[in-house]
Amino acid sequence: GENVEQHPSTLSVQEGDSAVIKCTYSDSASNYFPWYKQELGKGPQLIIDIRSNVGEKKDQRIAVTLNKTAKHFSLHITETQPEDSAVYFCAASDNTNAGKSTFGDGTTLTVKP
Amino acid sequence: DAGVIQSPRHEVTEMGQEVTLRCKPISGHNSLFWYRQTMMRGLELLIYFNNNVPIDDSGMPEDRFSAKMPNASFSTLKIQPSEPRDSAVYFCASSLRGPNSPLHFGNGTRLTVT
Repeated sequence: GENVEQHPSTLSVQEGDSAVIKCTYSDSASNYFPWYKQELGKGPQLIIDIRSNVGEKKDQRIAVTLNKTAKHFSLHITETQPEDSAVYFCAASDNTNAGKSTFGDGTTLTVKP
Repeated sequence: DAGVIQSPRHEVTEMGQEVTLRCKPISGHNSLFWYRQTMMRGLELLIYFNNNVPIDDSGMPEDRFSAKMPNASFSTLKIQPSEPRDSAVYFCASSLRGPNSPLHFGNGTRLTVT
């Protein structure tokens, strides 16, 4: 089955700096890569996603890059703000009805004002 | 859009008791997922329904766990009998088109078994 590894497990940055979180996956059949943000006491919420036919996607201060050859994808947050502090999860899934989303172990991001 | 609704938000029960968690997915979504989140094991998929039919229940820990989806707007996850190691946050999520589209999570049920 799919195995998703996420690094780092914790990340602390100064407000205004950039943050980068990286994930690797094992199954070459995976073709959908979402990122979720989880705040305390809430369920994960999708913040950005990318499919395998695209190398990069950007939404305001958030971007995701995908390298299918190396089987890794990354989340980039620029101009970080204290409200970006949360746990971030990457996930990978394939294009079958019976497929499942496999999640990374999460990264706790702290943005210090 | 009210989002995915889970109840109860918190459940405290004694070992051996039956526990039932409930979920109402987003209207129009054809897929429903139950996840369990713990510090040790992260987010684990328990079971996945597509059009009310269980597609993958390989993540259900053991026979003490069962899940049903009697119609498109309601699902339950039952633990009978409950054990302290079942203590976790249980999330329900729904999506438009299976695991290959964005998952919309509820706010979870925090289960404590004493």
